[in-house]
Amino acid sequence: DIQMTQSPSSLSASVGDRVTITCRASQSISSYLNWYQQKPGKAPKLLIYAASSLQSGVPSRFSGSGSGTDFTLTISSLQPEDFATYYCQQSYSTLYSFGQGTKLEIK
Amino acid sequence: QLQLQESGSGLVKPSQTLSLTCAVSGGSISSGGYSWSWIRQPPGKGLEWIGYIYHSGSTYYNPSLKSRVTISVDRSKNQFSLKLSSVTAADTAVYYCARGQVKWFYLDYWGQGTLVTVSS
Repeated sequence: DIQMTQSPSSLSASVGDRVTITCRASQSISSYLNWYQQKPGKAPKLLIYAASSLQSGVPSRFSGSGSGTDFTLTISSLQPEDFATYYCQQSYSTLYSFGQGTKLEIK
Repeated sequence: QLQLQESGSGLVKPSQTLSLTCAVSGGSISSGGYSWSWIRQPPGKGLEWIGYIYHSGSTYYNPSLKSRVTISVDRSKNQFSLKLSSVTAADTAVYYCARGQVKWFYLDYWGQGTLVTVSS
């Protein structure tokens, strides 16, 4: 099984900050990495697919990069609505798995 | 606009079978290029993939749940279903259905989720 590890598990930041969340795979997954945002009581929302492709309708302040085992999600300038939990998900193997999540909180 | 809606019993007794249905509207479940997934999230915890089914009917299950899980499609009703047998309290979670794009397998449409509690 491919294990996905996110860091940090939680993060405090202020509106306007640049934030980076990291996701590491236990083996190479090429670019088969997707990012989701989840707010309390809501279903996850797709932000980034194939490591760096922005899903339609997602603000351009969100970006993704990486390949192989190391990936990052960057929010260039935090907005109030961005405070949420973020999950990475690998789709390289048929057993698709998620990272444990990164909770982004207001400082 | 594609929409997915979960339905089913919100309370299941231990050792019984959890049954959920995901109704798809705004698109056909028989369309090629997609898979149909179930994901769950225990209260306060992260996301766990349960399994998925392709439009062809092929299924893939999480090995940790494989012996207890069945995912099926009802094309006439444009819906797919989850059955999880021999449930315990550890199966208490919000259950989501979602559509996956086959090429990169990202989940682009999700249901709103339904809480299933396992309790006597």
